[in-house]
Amino acid sequence: AQTVTQSQPEMSVQEAETVTLSCTYDTSESDYYLFWYKQPPSRQMILVIRQEAYKQQNATENRFSVNFQKAAKSFSLKISDSQLGDAAMYFCAYSSNTGNQFYFGTGTSLTVIP
Amino acid sequence: KAGVTQTPRYLIKTRGQQVTLSCSPISGHRSVSWYQQTPGQGLQFLFEYFSETQRNKGNFPGRFSGRQFSNSRSEMNVSTLELGDSALYLCASGPGKADTQYFGPGTRLTVL
Repeated sequence: AQTVTQSQPEMSVQEAETVTLSCTYDTSESDYYLFWYKQPPSRQMILVIRQEAYKQQNATENRFSVNFQKAAKSFSLKISDSQLGDAAMYFCAYSSNTGNQFYFGTGTSLTVIP
Repeated sequence: KAGVTQTPRYLIKTRGQQVTLSCSPISGHRSVSWYQQTPGQGLQFLFEYFSETQRNKGNFPGRFSGRQFSNSRSEMNVSTLELGDSALYLCASGPGKADTQYFGPGTRLTVL
């Protein structure tokens, strides 16, 4: 089975600074999807960014970007110009290209310091 | 488009009872997945339905079941509730067979 590992249970960042959240995964598949979701205290899971494994170009969404290293099975999330609203639990997730079964990491709790 | 909706948002049940949770996907989405979130086990996949057929199933006992209707709405049923079933149950919908999943607000189930 696929596994997703987030080794940073907690991270903090100063407002307006940059922070990087780490994620590694294990799979024998060559085609798959990777995601970062954000879960604020409201508990609503919100999609942050999506990466398709066959695409070498790293995905970006405004202040959010990823560093996708397929050979290393690494998928980190960089948040630039951090804002107070970025404070949340961040989950890395893996999905194969054959179905919508997501494997989630244990999450990283991000605190943004004013 | 309206997002994924889940009802009820909160439930309190006692051990041995059964419960049914409902999920309405985003209009046009044919895939609905269910997840259980607990502090100890994190986010765990329960099952996925696509066009009324269960396509994937996680490692949960048979007390957990689900179904999907022709309008893509889905229900999840848990029979003979146990204390350990207390959790946030999240529903997610997606447009295709393997695609981004959009989550609902969840149903918080408490078993006493």
